Amino acid sequence: QQPVQSPQAVILREGEDAVINCSSSKALYSVHWYRQKHGEAPVFLMILLKGGEQKGHDKISASFNEKKQQSSLYLTASQLSYSGTYFCGTEWTDFGNEKLTFGTGTRLTIIP
Amino acid sequence: DAGVTQSPTHLIKTRGQQVTLRCSPISGHKSVSWYQQVLGQGPQFIFQYYEKEERGRGNFPDRFSARQFPNYSSELNVNALLLGDSALYLCASSNHPSSYEQYFGPGTRLTVT
Repeated sequence: QQPVQSPQAVILREGEDAVINCSSSKALYSVHWYRQKHGEAPVFLMILLKGGEQKGHDKISASFNEKKQQSSLYLTASQLSYSGTYFCGTEWTDFGNEKLTFGTGTRLTIIP
Repeated sequence: DAGVTQSPTHLIKTRGQQVTLRCSPISGHKSVSWYQQVLGQGPQFIFQYYEKEERGRGNFPDRFSARQFPNYSSELNVNALLLGDSALYLCASSNHPSSYEQYFGPGTRLTVT
């Protein structure tokens, strides 16, 4: 089952904050966040593991709510360079047939 | 250090043909994964290899196969191409046996006519 991301698209002015959500119908072991700019490859942002702490670097952070089986990505004081499509990838097992399943993406557009 | 490289960049094939896509991981990375990305959608997992062994397989038909070589480079083969196989094929490498912190290559754009 593919994780569901919300919103599908959002437009913000530079300096505004954004929250992107990723929900799973199955118990999660890990959530991975990637950003893909148009015509480029996805770039790894961070990974959150079951039982782990909230992650973050610079003005981008994320949380992992195991009970709700969801993760949220927080972008603070957004910059023009934050524009792109954000994907969450989820794993439901930590052994055996590892398989990262990506969501449908959230397109973030930052305008001056 | 060089990133993940893929070849060719673009490819046009006819229905029924076979295609081989190549990937070289970042130096020191032993894990390679393949993904198919259709326009407007997220990458869809095809295969993962670690230390030349298959570690995971996605929901793709047997027409899709892959292998990893002793130098950790990898090939993805697709037989009997269908129009629906047209997509961007992404290769990602990692120094972890699972999908942690993957670095993606630029991809191969495959068009099937």
